[in-house]
Amino acid sequence: DQQVKQNSPSLSVQEGRISILNCDYTNSMFDYFLWYKKYPAEGPTFLISISSIKDKNEDGRFTVFLNKSAKHLSLHIVPSQPGDSAVYFCAASYTGANSKLTFGKGITLSVRP
Amino acid sequence: DGGITQSPKYLFRKEGQNVTLSCEQNLNHDAMYWYRQDPGQGLRLIYYSQIVNDFQKGDIAEGYSVSREKKESFPLTVTSAQKNPTAFYLCASSLSTPKETQYFGPGTRLLVL
Repeated sequence: DQQVKQNSPSLSVQEGRISILNCDYTNSMFDYFLWYKKYPAEGPTFLISISSIKDKNEDGRFTVFLNKSAKHLSLHIVPSQPGDSAVYFCAASYTGANSKLTFGKGITLSVRP
Repeated sequence: DGGITQSPKYLFRKEGQNVTLSCEQNLNHDAMYWYRQDPGQGLRLIYYSQIVNDFQKGDIAEGYSVSREKKESFPLTVTSAQKNPTAFYLCASSLSTPKETQYFGPGTRLLVL
C-alpha cells in the first residue's frame, strides 16, 4: 500500500515560470514532510521540509504548502530555472516508535530554456 | 567538510559472487540507511541502523546483509541470494532516528555481468 503518492510522473515548464509539484498521502499520522531533489546518477539532496503545525514553509525560490485536511502537499519553485530539471521526491514520517521516512516514486521536472 | 561517501561509484558483479558496498559518514550521525533505487520505483529501504552493533531489516532485506561495527561506517553486502541486484544503491544518515531528515551519499551503481 503506497502511503505517499506522486501521481504525475513528469512535469514540463518554461524557464521563469512557476513549477508546482504535487504529493498526496494516505496516513493521517504523518506529521513531517520533506522534498528531495535528485540528479541522474547522484544521491538525493534535501530541499525543504515542513511539520504539520505549519501550512507553509519558504526557502528562497522553494515553498512547500501543506493541506492537512486534503492530505496534500505541494512544492512551488519560482522562478523555475533549467538547473531545476531533476527528479523530485516527496517523503513523510510521523512521531512515534518505528516510524521511518516513506518516499513517493518521484516526479521528473523538465525546465525548458 | 562533512558528508557521506560511497565507494565505488560503479561495481560489477559476476553471477554467484558476493560484493560489498562501502558507506562512510563524518557527520557524527547515529542512524544510517541503505536504499535501493530502480527506475520508476522510488527509494526502497533495505536495512537501517540506529546504533553501533544493531541494525534492522527494511522493506526489501532479502539477499542483503549489513554490519555496523563503527559509528562512521555501514557497509552493505549484496549476496548471491539477491536474484536481481542490478540497481542504484544509496546510503544515507540522520541524526538519531529514521523519521528525521536523512542525508544521502552519491550512490553506487551495481551491474551484474
